[in-house]
Parts: sequence; C-alpha cells; structure tokens
Amino acid sequence: NAGVTQTPKFRVLKTGQSMTLLCAQDMNHEYMYWYRQDPGMGLRLIHYSVGEGTTAKGEVPDGYNVSRLKKQNFLLGLESAAPSQTSVYFCASSPGTTVDTIYFGEGSWLTVV
Amino acid sequence: AQSVTQPDIHITVSEGASLELRCNYSYGATPYLFWYVQSPGQGLQLLLKYFSGDTLVQGIKGFEAEFKRSQSSFNLRKPSVHWSDAAEYFCAVGVGSSASKIIFGSGTRLSIRP
Repeated sequence: NAGVTQTPKFRVLKTGQSMTLLCAQDMNHEYMYWYRQDPGMGLRLIHYSVGEGTTAKGEVPDGYNVSRLKKQNFLLGLESAAPSQTSVYFCASSPGTTVDTIYFGEGSWLTVV
Repeated sequence: AQSVTQPDIHITVSEGASLELRCNYSYGATPYLFWYVQSPGQGLQLLLKYFSGDTLVQGIKGFEAEFKRSQSSFNLRKPSVHWSDAAEYFCAVGVGSSASKIIFGSGTRLSIRP
C-alpha cells in the first residue's frame, strides 16, 4: 500500500542547476499538492492541482513549475535552483470529490549550494 | 487573503498536564479546518478535522478541538499529555472550491517535561 511516494528523497544541487521532483499516488486522488517546509515557516503551498491537466499557484509559486500530465503523477520542477530553495518538499494528495483528508508523502530533502 | 496563525512557536508542558494549542484563521466563508501532527523526520498525520455540525470534534490519540466562529479559532486540546505527544503540530484551513487549497499555519512545537 504505497500511498504517496516522492522521489528522490535527498538531493544536493548546485546553484543554477535544474531538477524535477516526482510525486506519485496510487489512491486515484483528484487533488495533488506541493509544499515546502522551512524552520519557523510551517508548510507553504507552492502549487496544486485539482485534476489531470490542471495546475494552480499556491502561496509561494515563484521559481517553480509543475505539471500533471497523468492523474497519478505531479511533477515539481526547478529550472534554475537557488540557495533559497533549500528546503524539505512535501507532496500530498486528496480524494477531492468532497472535502477530505490530505495524505502526505515522506518528504524530499533538497540542498542547493 | 486567507491565513492561519499559530501564535505559540514552542510550548512545554509536564507529562500528565492538560494542553491547549491555539489556532486562528482568516477566511471569509465557512472554513474547513484541520489539525496535523508531525514527528521529527516524518510526514504529517491527521489528528482531526472540522467541516460542519458539532463544533467540538474528537480526533485520534485523545485530542479534541473546538471551532469558535465568533473568535475565528480552532484550538486543539488534550486533557493529559504523554511523552509521546512531543512533536510539531500544524493547524490548517481548506479554502476555495471544495476546500481544494489547503493552507497551513507555521506550527507549534510541543515539548514534554518528565
């Protein structure tokens, strides 16, 4: 029972490099989310999606892009990484048909040097 | 804009003592409210949620929360804490259509004094 799976779990990037974080869920959920967590800041919503082919901006979308080409996958891209993007990234999903619980992945630790 | 405020960054209580963690939200419509807990190095686990109906909701691990519309608050309580309750606690609000956008507070770190 995989739930929400994030890859990679750990990554070190150099400033200016690009990378993609992959989130996969096997619960047939409609809604998916990307958050970043920084000390003292809680979780801040980067982007979210309410269905395949749709995306929307959250609270802190700058410097990130997302895609939801398949219902089960939600990709978060960093085109040109900056040290300010050093953070722990959490993906989450929710059934979406009604207001309901969101289920989180285990997190991806990203360091930009 | 919608927001969630958790005014206490860090709280320490003695084991066996009662606990109340504060949460205030800002949202024009009826909110959907959640409390999550995060243990070190882990993801987030749902403690309880409020969508409608009885304003006192029960959750897992002996936690409860009360929705007070007049105060825009959703405080989390537990009558007697255990050492295993030490963790970070996050209040969240669902906004927009079907609460599709979930916004979190900055969290309250709970320490337990033996």
